[in-house]
Amino acid sequence: GEDVEQSLFLSVREGDSSVINCTYTDSSSTYLYWYKQEPGAGLQLLTYIFSNMDMKQDQRLTVLLNKKDKHLSLRIADTQTGDSAIYFCAEKKDTGRRALTFGSGTRLQVQP
Amino acid sequence: GAVVSQHPSRVICKSGTSVKIECRSLDFQATTMFWYRQFPKQSLMLMATSNEGSKATYEQGVEKDKFLINHASLTLSTLTVTSAHPEDSSFYICSARDVRGRGWDTEAFFGQGTRLTVV
Repeated sequence: GEDVEQSLFLSVREGDSSVINCTYTDSSSTYLYWYKQEPGAGLQLLTYIFSNMDMKQDQRLTVLLNKKDKHLSLRIADTQTGDSAIYFCAEKKDTGRRALTFGSGTRLQVQP
Repeated sequence: GAVVSQHPSRVICKSGTSVKIECRSLDFQATTMFWYRQFPKQSLMLMATSNEGSKATYEQGVEKDKFLINHASLTLSTLTVTSAHPEDSSFYICSARDVRGRGWDTEAFFGQGTRLTVV
């Protein structure tokens, strides 16, 4: 199957950590991505992880990959109101011409 | 960094008319561009893969005669919605794959999106 699933909504308070989860079904995925979409805008690549990695940290962002369970997470430390947006995970299966498969998106609401 | 410019950002047209949306890679060459459609509060649905110098590859269920794609140069792909109807109203997003890219960075570049409203 090619499903990528995410929870629809997450609400946190400013300064807390946010954890957005994603599950995928295709074990042949090579790269997994996290994108941010603000209202009425395109997608901004936040970070990515190669399938042979378990963790990647980039400033406030930490990506964890459990390949056995096909589970991906994005942790945002010290969440700010500007982080409010929709976050999409996506998987890339191979280096061919196929596009990404996106999850349904998680709306993150940061309360002041 | 690399930029993909999508134009227009917003368009309103009358039923039965055609609308063209442009997707340009500004400082890199893209032999492959992708066109997505996004319904409100939903994910991105791949419509077609645009290949420079050849015919686009459409996903199942997408009418190729209705959504015409032209990728005539390494920096420009266009999507034309022909004989638009209200049900075609949506948010359309393109992405461009850098020919020089290897691995992760070929998926980095998305346009700003086009909000199409058909009245």
